[in-house]
Amino acid sequence: DQQVKQNSPSLSVQEGRISILNCDYTNSMFDYFLWYKKYPAEGPTFLISISSIKDKNEDGRFTVFLNKSAKHLSLHIVPSQPGDSAVYFCAASDKTSYDKVIFGPGTSLSVIP
Amino acid sequence: KAGVTQTPRYLIKTRGQQVTLSCSPISGHRSVSWYQQTPGQGLQFLFEYFSETQRNKGNFPGRFSGRQFSNSRSEMNVSTLELGDSALYLCASSLGLGIRYEQYFGPGTRLTVT
Repeated sequence: DQQVKQNSPSLSVQEGRISILNCDYTNSMFDYFLWYKKYPAEGPTFLISISSIKDKNEDGRFTVFLNKSAKHLSLHIVPSQPGDSAVYFCAASDKTSYDKVIFGPGTSLSVIP
Repeated sequence: KAGVTQTPRYLIKTRGQQVTLSCSPISGHRSVSWYQQTPGQGLQFLFEYFSETQRNKGNFPGRFSGRQFSNSRSEMNVSTLELGDSALYLCASSLGLGIRYEQYFGPGTRLTVT
């Protein structure tokens, strides 16, 4: 069973507009969440994280929102740039499982110039 | 500062063989984690080593093993290869133990089992 879900395999957005990538989880013990970006032929790159004690974390053009009651998080990219075209992975972990990390299947974002 | 390096980058093996993959972490990083990426299962955590000891393990069979040396370099071994082991194997290094330390990934080793 998938504990971390990214239900949109792909997303296309116009340059300059907002990109919203969604992630749902089932394990209520998850207390730390991360987003990674991956370009082809490269390893993932850490983007941003959020602890369950917060509901929002911002870093430049990237903002992650966490809705614990809905077990949902989202990554907002504003404004979107062509260089943001990549696969985005949501990941989650919980301290009680020694921080074993579970990744979602990824969403492929295409930013159209 | 040099990034995480993985060798070899590509590998073709036959079912039943064994394989060893290598990962050199960023200088000063003491933790190395290994992941398997496949189209069907996505990115899955294999194990994490810190100070030469395995500290955490994912849900993989015992055919998957690893070790870490005193210089923090790590190797991963897969014995009795199966077709389903064909995947991209990624390693990541970080300063400390656990996912709450930022992980830096290498480019991966693409393993094909025929």
